Amino acid sequence: EVQLVESGGGLVQPGGSLRLSCAASGFTFSTYSMNWVRQAPGKGLEWVSYISSSSSTIYYADSVKGRFTISRDNAKNSLYLQMNSLRAEDTAVYYCARDLIPRGLSAFDIWGQGTMVTVSS
Amino acid sequence: DIQMTQSPSSLSASVGDRVTITCRASQGISNYLAWYQQKPGKVPKLLIYAASTLQSGVPSRFSGSGSGTDFTLTISSLQPEDVATYYCQNYSRAPRTFGQGTKVEIK
Repeated sequence: EVQLVESGGGLVQPGGSLRLSCAASGFTFSTYSMNWVRQAPGKGLEWVSYISSSSSTIYYADSVKGRFTISRDNAKNSLYLQMNSLRAEDTAVYYCARDLIPRGLSAFDIWGQGTMVTVSS
Repeated sequence: DIQMTQSPSSLSASVGDRVTITCRASQGISNYLAWYQQKPGKVPKLLIYAASTLQSGVPSRFSGSGSGTDFTLTISSLQPEDVATYYCQNYSRAPRTFGQGTKVEIK
């Protein structure tokens, strides 16, 4: 079964750091580009970051640029999001999501169940 | 950045009704447009990509159309299980922006 499982969420103080992980299974992780998408409580979806299959291309939303770092370890079938200088407005459920096609521009066909990040003192 | 604007923000319709949601991009995105369904408390699900291609397993009452800047998601006969929030998404370039969502309810 194709699956993505996020972990690492929790409660953190403003200015703090957190590292999210996304474990992939059931498909050849190393051939697919991956993304992080977040959803604040009661709000819509916000794309956060993209990483290509080889990590050669990375993009960030302006709202997290300079604070968040996306990375992957293809040997471990894992995607990561290092979040620094966290703010209250970063409070959200964070989803990892797979690009539908291995190469090129694509929608997101597989989503994890999400991990909640709460930034509060 | 490309802005995606959906309308309406919410709608209420009867079972069996034809429902149409529109999505407008602030600049042309060819057909790099996806639609997602998110039921309450659930994970988003891909319904349509490339503006009009139905994702595997999605009921045929869902359809998409459009190109360039104007796109439409249509539910031909609304069912109770279609109660959800629907999002369009541009994936022509980064940032891969989503629309603000359209909440669909049963009247």
